[in-house]
Amino acid sequence: AQSVTQPDIHITVSEGASLELRCNYSYGATPYLFWYVQSPGQGLQLLLKYFSGDTLVQGIKGFEAEFKRSQSSFNLRKPSVHWSDAAEYFCAVVPYGGATNKLIFGTGTLLAVQP
Amino acid sequence: EPEVTQTPSHQVTQMGQEVILRCVPISNHLYFYWYRQILGQKVEFLVSFYNNEISEKSEIFDDRFSVERPDGSNFTLKIRSTKLEDSAMYFCASGRTGAFTDTQYFGPGTRLTVL
Repeated sequence: AQSVTQPDIHITVSEGASLELRCNYSYGATPYLFWYVQSPGQGLQLLLKYFSGDTLVQGIKGFEAEFKRSQSSFNLRKPSVHWSDAAEYFCAVVPYGGATNKLIFGTGTLLAVQP
Repeated sequence: EPEVTQTPSHQVTQMGQEVILRCVPISNHLYFYWYRQILGQKVEFLVSFYNNEISEKSEIFDDRFSVERPDGSNFTLKIRSTKLEDSAMYFCASGRTGAFTDTQYFGPGTRLTVL
């Protein structure tokens, strides 16, 4: 079945530590890939997106993500986490060849940052 | 930076009543969307809208739901005969081109509580 999976529901990291949030997808053709962040009381904000070209994508707020076709993954990374990064992170896809560009979201990973 | 706004931030209604959720998309955007997130669950696509027509709708978007762009700035979601299971956070989003790679900009959401 077509799906987007974020295996980690909740992650806690120390401020200054590195971060990797996992995302896997299961689609016949590689979908268009997105990472969104939702801070408390705010809407979803796009961090980065990938659809072709260089498999390492740079985004806002110092985030990057790497597309790995062989693993059907699009993991989000940040070298050094700041307390303000505490939020919920959503991986999302737009399936290739769909009727519209509706986003299909993963379940989200809630990131806590400890001092 | 332009942003999507939504009103009200929180709506409480009695089961069976009608509610209208309002959104003001980014001014030069032409594609509009509603998503919802039931507490503890995924963000789910409801409907996409372009040129005063629904482009795509999900199974959730039954005949109790309707969308409208009543003027040049607002985009509304109406839910008739509300049910307890309609309780969720509703997000409006807008996009400029509607392409598969287009960025959708999300509002902060309206929390709907059906009692």
